[in-house]
Amino acid sequence: SQQGEEDPQALSIQEGENATMNCSYKTSINNLQWYRQNSGRGLVHLILIRSNEREKHSGRLRVTLDTSKKSSSLLITASRAADTASYFCATDSRGSNYKLTFGKGTLLTVNP
Amino acid sequence: GAVVSQHPSWVICKSGTSVKIECRSLDFQATTMFWYRQFPKQSLMLMATSNEGSKATYEQGVEKDKFLINHASLTLSTLTVTSAHPEDSSFYICSARDFRRSGANVLTFGAGSRLTVL
Repeated sequence: SQQGEEDPQALSIQEGENATMNCSYKTSINNLQWYRQNSGRGLVHLILIRSNEREKHSGRLRVTLDTSKKSSSLLITASRAADTASYFCATDSRGSNYKLTFGKGTLLTVNP
Repeated sequence: GAVVSQHPSWVICKSGTSVKIECRSLDFQATTMFWYRQFPKQSLMLMATSNEGSKATYEQGVEKDKFLINHASLTLSTLTVTSAHPEDSSFYICSARDFRRSGANVLTFGAGSRLTVL
């Protein structure tokens, strides 16, 4: 079963608005990552947050992690049309032998 | 940064033929590579872990005789879809971890290969 479950499945916003995507997972993790995928392409790593961290920033990205609720959120501020893509959370846990488990993803559309 | 090259980016083949997809780490050595399969508008499903110099580790439900993986060098892993059928049509993506660059489990992905079996 999928470790990560993102919501919403799809999100459509206007340029300049903020986009928030959520991810929930089921088992204890070492860290949680967010990846981006443009249509028909591979994934690109965006940001990683460790299990002992609560919040992390990178440019226009802000990630939070709540291990008690087993959830994470990705906030993209001041969105641009170029941010249009699918966003996936991925988790790995102790003993997973470096295997990542990906969520179902959120398709973000930023309208110009 | 770490770069993974995947080839071909798309391939169309006839049912019953075999198709080979290559995954190369261009500027780092990858003792471990991962192969994923992705259906339209869905998440990535891990198929197998490719280990340099040893047999690949397949996930439950993945036919190892159907999806042959060879990791012959520290920079190259190949996935061969044998006797392909239309249900094998999918987007296949490889990834690798550059242990030099990150103490955490960050993967670098290839651009993917879209396989269409007629």
